[in-house]
Amino acid sequence: GAVVSQHPSWVICKSGTSVKIECRSLDFQATTMFWYRQFPKQSLMLMATSNEGSKATYEQGVEKDKFLINHASLTLSTLTVTSAHPEDSSFYICSANPGLAGNNEQFFGPGTRLTVL
Amino acid sequence: LAKTTQPISMDSYEGQEVNITCSHNNIATNDYITWYQQFPSQGPRFIIQGYKTKVTNEVASLFIPADRKSSTLSLPRVSLSDTAVYYCLVGINTGGFKTIFGAGTRLFVKA
Repeated sequence: GAVVSQHPSWVICKSGTSVKIECRSLDFQATTMFWYRQFPKQSLMLMATSNEGSKATYEQGVEKDKFLINHASLTLSTLTVTSAHPEDSSFYICSANPGLAGNNEQFFGPGTRLTVL
Repeated sequence: LAKTTQPISMDSYEGQEVNITCSHNNIATNDYITWYQQFPSQGPRFIIQGYKTKVTNEVASLFIPADRKSSTLSLPRVSLSDTAVYYCLVGINTGGFKTIFGAGTRLFVKA
């Protein structure tokens, strides 16, 4: 099946710094990727839809200036958490779909654990 | 996007069959029903998807009644490694269509 990777798998940073997380579709192209955030014992919360070559679409309540999304190619989307604070500590997950006929499955990355000190 | 309702948690024993039911009263004509499994600190993993009646694969079965307002994920003979959170999602799951997660069902399999 299709594979989605994320890098890094975990990151620790100081408050006030920015952190970039990469999401790659390894064996397919994806014009659309999705970014989620998950706090402990909670479900995944959709943050934004990443669109190749255009601006991302953010869900209500998600600050676009804080969570910068860039989808510069058909296999790579990046999420940058700017001026990170401890409350941004969470598990960040991306997903993508190959968009093939008959394939309705979203493929998820392994996630990135962000800890802000 | 149709809202889904699942039990918050379930307990089972190894070797038993587990059935998790999801309610989705507002499902639309073009919506599919998809189930994902998630282990701690990992991304969700696709289990099964269906539109109507019954779908079976190597790991699970999915039962969908004619009105499609609910669905049941059936896991045959669970093992300890099936302890995970199971999410029922309803929607058009291709390409650019959003995937919205509900609360999920936390399944705990005991020895």
